[in-house]
Amino acid sequence: GPKVLQIPSHQIIDMGQMVTLNCDPVSNHLYFYWYKQILGQQMEFLVNFYNGKVMEKSKLFKDQFSVERPDGSYFTLKIQPTALEDSAVYFCASSPRSNERLFFGHGTKLSVL
Amino acid sequence: GEQVEQLPSSLIVQEGASVLINCSYTDSASVYFPWYKQEPGKRLQFIIDIRSNMERKQTQRLTLLFDKKTKHLSLHITATQPGDSAIYFCSARLNTGNYKYVFGAGTRLKVIA
Repeated sequence: GPKVLQIPSHQIIDMGQMVTLNCDPVSNHLYFYWYKQILGQQMEFLVNFYNGKVMEKSKLFKDQFSVERPDGSYFTLKIQPTALEDSAVYFCASSPRSNERLFFGHGTKLSVL
Repeated sequence: GEQVEQLPSSLIVQEGASVLINCSYTDSASVYFPWYKQEPGKRLQFIIDIRSNMERKQTQRLTLLFDKKTKHLSLHITATQPGDSAIYFCSARLNTGNYKYVFGAGTRLKVIA
């Protein structure tokens, strides 16, 4: 079936540095999401994105976070600067329509040292 | 905002047993409820969904029941197999606002052969 690709699978970074997580959504999908998962448990909503704009962001989506999808390429999550509490697995998801289920990537494990 | 609660948080059963996972939500404007399964280290995989105009949906060994009045869902898995071992997530999407999906904390199922 259609797959969402996330690059890299694991990123280790020093606190204070910038990191960009890349997501290649399913080609005809229009809605894009980032979720944060800590300790293999709770999936916490960060942000969703449609038509080049952020639709909604949660309290977890701090000022240091930003998302974009320039010219229909990767959907990216940038964190600048990173903090220790940003360590988690970040899942990208996409959907063809607003009322359809999400297709998830494998996740990027971010370790902030 | 919408909150989704799942119970139990974990289950251990013998192969062949049936299990029931409960999910409740708070916002009566929620209209769509996809469920996902996450095996260790893997992406979330869609397993079944239901919309608020339905009461029951069944696919193979999964039956999903929905009670709009009590804002409650239950996922019944019959004839469990070791391959069913995973974390199961309930999610809810509002019919208003910005189409975000709110997830429960997950139910960790272990099926012992």
